[in-house]
Amino acid sequence: NAGVTQTPKFQVLKTGQSMTLQCAQDMNHNSMYWYRQDPGMGLRLIYYSASEGTTDKGEVPNGYNVSRLNKREFSLRLESAAPSQTSVYFCASSAQGDGYTFGSGTRLTVV
Amino acid sequence: EDKVVQSPLSLVVHEGDTVTLNCSYEVTNFRSLLWYKQEKKAPTFLFMLTSSGIEKKSGRLSSILDKKELFSILNITATQTGDSAVYLCAVNSGGYQKVTFGTGTKLQVIP
Repeated sequence: NAGVTQTPKFQVLKTGQSMTLQCAQDMNHNSMYWYRQDPGMGLRLIYYSASEGTTDKGEVPNGYNVSRLNKREFSLRLESAAPSQTSVYFCASSAQGDGYTFGSGTRLTVV
Repeated sequence: EDKVVQSPLSLVVHEGDTVTLNCSYEVTNFRSLLWYKQEKKAPTFLFMLTSSGIEKKSGRLSSILDKKELFSILNITATQTGDSAVYLCAVNSGGYQKVTFGTGTKLQVIP
């Protein structure tokens, strides 16, 4: 049982480049989330999808877009990467919005 | 603004010691408090607490919530080196986007 699978695990981008982080879950969860984790700041919500077909902004959405492709998949896109987006990104899913299952993370560096 | 504060920020103990990690919160509409363990990669779910005074227990780990004083503690007895991790506290204040994470307590258990 894979749980939540994120790709890629590591990525280095140049300022202005774009990329998409992929996330898929096999637990039939309705809700999916994208978080970023920075030193001293805890996990902060970028976007979430309460159910298939819906997406909403979290605490720090600027510079990001998301797509809930189907119930399993929720992708995060950086259209024009900036050094401030250097972070570790986690995808998570939950059945009812409480206990999350997290993916293993993507370490992104923007130079 | 919802706030979750964890203490201490870090601590170092010897194997066999008992530790207590603290989490205090200020939120507008409490729904649940969650504890996670984060080793090198993804946070993994430990406990969800919704009611005051009811201890949740899993092996050597236990946790309790005080909704009057707005805090929770996570106890680990007979610590082992495998308990070394960052422990995250999060509070759900009523919705998919309303989960606020603390910055974590880094625990190091030395032989």
